[in-house]
Amino acid sequence: GEDVEQSLFLSVREGDSSVINCTYTDSSSTYLYWYKQEPGAGLQLLTYIFSNMDMKQDQRLTVLLNKKDKHLSLRIADTQTGDSAIYFCAERRGYSTLTFGKGTMLLVSP
Amino acid sequence: DTGVSQDPRHKITKRGQNVTFRCDPISEHNRLYWYRQTLGQGPEFLTYFQNEAQLEKSRLLSDRFSAERPKGSFSTLEIQRTEQGDSAMYLCASSLAGRAGESNFFGPGTRLTVL
Repeated sequence: GEDVEQSLFLSVREGDSSVINCTYTDSSSTYLYWYKQEPGAGLQLLTYIFSNMDMKQDQRLTVLLNKKDKHLSLRIADTQTGDSAIYFCAERRGYSTLTFGKGTMLLVSP
Repeated sequence: DTGVSQDPRHKITKRGQNVTFRCDPISEHNRLYWYRQTLGQGPEFLTYFQNEAQLEKSRLLSDRFSAERPKGSFSTLEIQRTEQGDSAMYLCASSLAGRAGESNFFGPGTRLTVL
């Protein structure tokens, strides 16, 4: 298919780890990205990973890439209430434009 | 380092009116993109510029949509004869060609409501 797919909703307790999953479609994609969007706001770039990497860690964020299965995940350690937002996975296909999933809403409860 | 700015942040218009949105990219970025986001969806690519050249416009939603970047700095997106289906968030992003990751940095968006 043509779509980047994500699960729509994830609920966790404060202090737990969150794992948000994404399946992308284009094996020739060069970079894959994770963005965060809070209500009424634009998108904030969290991190990206080059397609020849398996893992990237950046403070509380860990990105895992399984290129064979075209599966990308974002793990947030020690999730906080301020992490509540919609998280978008995106892949770059051609040009420099991005194709986004529909987003995963993360709800963190105290 | 100032980010991407967009103006206005909100626009309410009546069906049939023309609207124009402005985007100011991060100053050293040479690529500029327009996306549209509707409720419950991820951003959808519309068009992009490298410097003043519009390199992709086939994804603009109809011939009522047009974009310009006359001097390779700020850009405008115009929608003529607006329809209720045009109601959405219009997002601008910029990037620097050749930088590792070449991430798109997004502005806060312009929310359009067509009555």
